[in-house]
Amino acid sequence: AQKVTQAQTEISVVEKEDVTLDCVYETRDTTYYLFWYKQPPSGELVFLIRRNSFDEQNEISGRYSWNFQKSTSSFNFTITASQVVDSAVYFCALSEKAGGYQKVTFGTGTKLQVIP
Amino acid sequence: GAGVSQTPSNKVTEKGKYVELRCDPISGHTALYWYRQSLGQGPEFLIYFQGTGAADDSGLPNDRFFAVRPEGSVSTLKIQRTERGDSAVYLCASSLAVGETQYFGPGTRLLVL
Repeated sequence: AQKVTQAQTEISVVEKEDVTLDCVYETRDTTYYLFWYKQPPSGELVFLIRRNSFDEQNEISGRYSWNFQKSTSSFNFTITASQVVDSAVYFCALSEKAGGYQKVTFGTGTKLQVIP
Repeated sequence: GAGVSQTPSNKVTEKGKYVELRCDPISGHTALYWYRQSLGQGPEFLIYFQGTGAADDSGLPNDRFFAVRPEGSVSTLKIQRTERGDSAVYLCASSLAVGETQYFGPGTRLLVL
């Protein structure tokens, strides 16, 4: 069965600091997708990134970067020069080819608080 | 363009009552999903539609929960004989096709008193 673990429940950083959110996953499938979603206080889940299991290249999008390490089953998310608007709950998630990709399994989320 | 919309945004009901939650997916998206998010948890899969039919309803907790999507667009999640444990945020998502990225709506916050 697929499982996603986000060990960090809450993180507080001071504005402009860098912060890394950890994500470790378990799957028996060799083909899967990994995701990160952001859930601000308004409650709506905002899609950030989707990564195919065959693509281990790290990705950078502005202040966001993702590090995919298949060898350690991790898909960590780094925010550089954090801003107050980054305060939210961040979810890592996984969907497997064996399940038709329709079921997305989410971690329990990491609440990030950026202090001005 | 317009995202996934859900109504109502909040619903308060009494134990034992029947409720309907509505989801309007992104135009052109053929796949629609329902999730439930309890406080402090990540969303949990309930049911998935491809077109009009429920392709996978394995996440529905029991037979009090039912969902329909009669015309392949709008979907309604129906909960009969609500219980206090049903209190949660019910999230709807849609994707262009199965396997594509799911985009979520703002959710319906259900409170059963």
